Amino acid sequence: DAGITQSPRYKITETGRQVTLMCHQTWSHSYMFWYRQDLGHGLRLIYYSAAADITDKGEVPDGYVVSRSKTENFPLTLESATRSQTSVYFCASRDSMRLAGGEQFFGPGTRLTVL
Amino acid sequence: RKEVEQDPGPFNVPEGATVAFNCTYSNSASQSFFWYRQDCRKEPKLLMSVYSSGNEDGRFTAQLNRASQYISLLIRDSKLSDSATYLCVVKGTSGTYKYIFGTGTRLKVLA
Repeated sequence: DAGITQSPRYKITETGRQVTLMCHQTWSHSYMFWYRQDLGHGLRLIYYSAAADITDKGEVPDGYVVSRSKTENFPLTLESATRSQTSVYFCASRDSMRLAGGEQFFGPGTRLTVL
Repeated sequence: RKEVEQDPGPFNVPEGATVAFNCTYSNSASQSFFWYRQDCRKEPKLLMSVYSSGNEDGRFTAQLNRASQYISLLIRDSKLSDSATYLCVVKGTSGTYKYIFGTGTRLKVLA
């Protein structure tokens, strides 16, 4: 099906482990984003990517790594998970940034618990 | 001060009521504005973009006041299905990646 998907949908891991969250979109959108959502905070940008092989830090990048070797995939890796990274993670995409407006489309989210 | 601020609610309203939410933003250079809807434990989905002249989509009306730096969302004839959290989203100058999300206003429509 067309759209934006995330996997896994739920993940429990332990402190210190490496975890990779996957994001895949079928629209060939140029821009992709990773956010985390926590109580008391709005969605906060972790990383974004303007195109394949172009990534940049957002508001809360520490402890995360991203890559974008293909336009459709944008994995997020927690190199050594900490309890503070327990959160809901949303991937999003949108087309060209040249337009002033522009809707972001979100994936269904990954609920990550770090014990 | 947060860049985008919303009253967290909850707003509890009876079916059929009219309810309005406001959202203030701090960056006067912001160019694009949106309202997203988020159901419990689901992803945000675009409800409507907010245009300078104001815009309407069925029972929903969005307004932008650049002078006072706020946007509003009016919901008329509330339905039970309108119960959700409404997120205010502000984007900076053209070309920027930066979307700033408010923490959301929770609406409960009661039978």
